[in-house]
Amino acid sequence: DTGVSQDPRHKITKRGQNVTFRCDPISEHNRLYWYRQTLGQGPEFLTYFQNEAQLEKSRLLSDRFSAERPKGSFSTLEIQRTEQGDSAMYLCASSSDSFNEKLFFGSGTQLSVL
Amino acid sequence: QKEVEQNSGPLSVPEGAIASLNCTYSDRGSQSFFWYRQYSGKSPELIMSIYSNGDKEDGRFTAQLNKASQYVSLLIRDSQPSDSATYLCAVKDPRNQGGKLIFGQGTELSVKP
Repeated sequence: DTGVSQDPRHKITKRGQNVTFRCDPISEHNRLYWYRQTLGQGPEFLTYFQNEAQLEKSRLLSDRFSAERPKGSFSTLEIQRTEQGDSAMYLCASSSDSFNEKLFFGSGTQLSVL
Repeated sequence: QKEVEQNSGPLSVPEGAIASLNCTYSDRGSQSFFWYRQYSGKSPELIMSIYSNGDKEDGRFTAQLNKASQYVSLLIRDSQPSDSATYLCAVKDPRNQGGKLIFGQGTELSVKP
């Protein structure tokens, strides 16, 4: 499978715990994006990487959220001290920096904070 | 005003009919537009992209773009029950050097047999 891969698919955690999600982009894609989606809403942009550089972060990304892409390949998104409001689907997408680039999404990680 | 707006629906059409999904955007500098389909519990799947004014057809799907009116639409001909999903309109952020997309809230489409 050469699509975007996310792990885990589902995560249930207790409020206050830390969680980490992983995303493996399509291998030739140098851009990687994180989005968050809640029920009945469209995906909301969180952050994006060009290779290993994090070039933009949304104001939605509080200081409890951190994302990394250490070698320009896979990325991790960590949420510290989770809150019930963090419950959402976390989507990763990748693209190549070509003309008329297109974003392709992974299957997402569904987070439930109890 | 939201940057990308869609009617949330649900939009219900009978099988075989044409489904028309609409989207407006606020930034006149936007140049790239996309439609994604999302089945319940699944991730968004790219179905169409459009960059120039006019129509772009791909099988049963036609995307329409009118930059002067800041309006994008998606037509689905000969709608099938398998087309029942949420359709997301997305606009590439012209202020972003990368490919960041801004999404509407999605329109839920239900195709009745």
